[in-house]
Amino acid sequence: AQKVTQAQTEISVVEKEDVTLDCVYETRDTTYYLFWYKQPPSGELVFLIRRNSFDEQNEISGRYSWNFQKSTSSFNFTITASQVVDSAVYFCALSGQFSSGSARQLTFGSGTQLTVLP
Amino acid sequence: DAGVTQSPTHLIKTRGQQVTLRCSPKSGHDTVSWYQQALGQGPQFIFQYYEEEERQRGNFPDRFSGHQFPNYSSELNVNALLLGDSALYLCASSWGPQGRNTIYFGEGSWLTVV
Repeated sequence: AQKVTQAQTEISVVEKEDVTLDCVYETRDTTYYLFWYKQPPSGELVFLIRRNSFDEQNEISGRYSWNFQKSTSSFNFTITASQVVDSAVYFCALSGQFSSGSARQLTFGSGTQLTVLP
Repeated sequence: DAGVTQSPTHLIKTRGQQVTLRCSPKSGHDTVSWYQQALGQGPQFIFQYYEEEERQRGNFPDRFSGHQFPNYSSELNVNALLLGDSALYLCASSWGPQGRNTIYFGEGSWLTVV
């Protein structure tokens, strides 16, 4: 079974602060994929990043960075110098892989509501 | 390049009725999945279609059914609507069912059952 836990339900920061969103996952698959999505009030899930289980390199994209640690089954997301436009619900998701190579369905965490105050 | 498009964006139905939601995948994508997102929760997987066949199914009753057409577009049908079916229904597409491919979502269809 796959499971994703986002323990932080809500986070509130003041603009320009750094903020880290936590994600812990469980899977028995040896190959799996981790995702972060952003969901503004409109409802669309906006893709942010995908990481493969065999690639533990951390990644930085502008103000966003991701820390993937297999040893602790964590895939945390940091926003540097937060902005009001970053306010949204952020979801971490996991997709395992069948032996055939097909992906299991995406399993989402419960989401973290981030509010950035001006 | 059009992304994933869904219709209708909002609809209200009465308990016991039937509803059909539609999805056009992102250009070049052939795999479509449907998710249900209740208020304040993460999306829950309903089913996935690839090559016009249902390949995977989540823990949803048979009242939820779907179809994929030769042009890769898809429909989600829900029969005998219950109040608990009120949710945001999200369509996602990717190229092939392999996990290495990025999954993109549409803006969703907001369903209210009264």
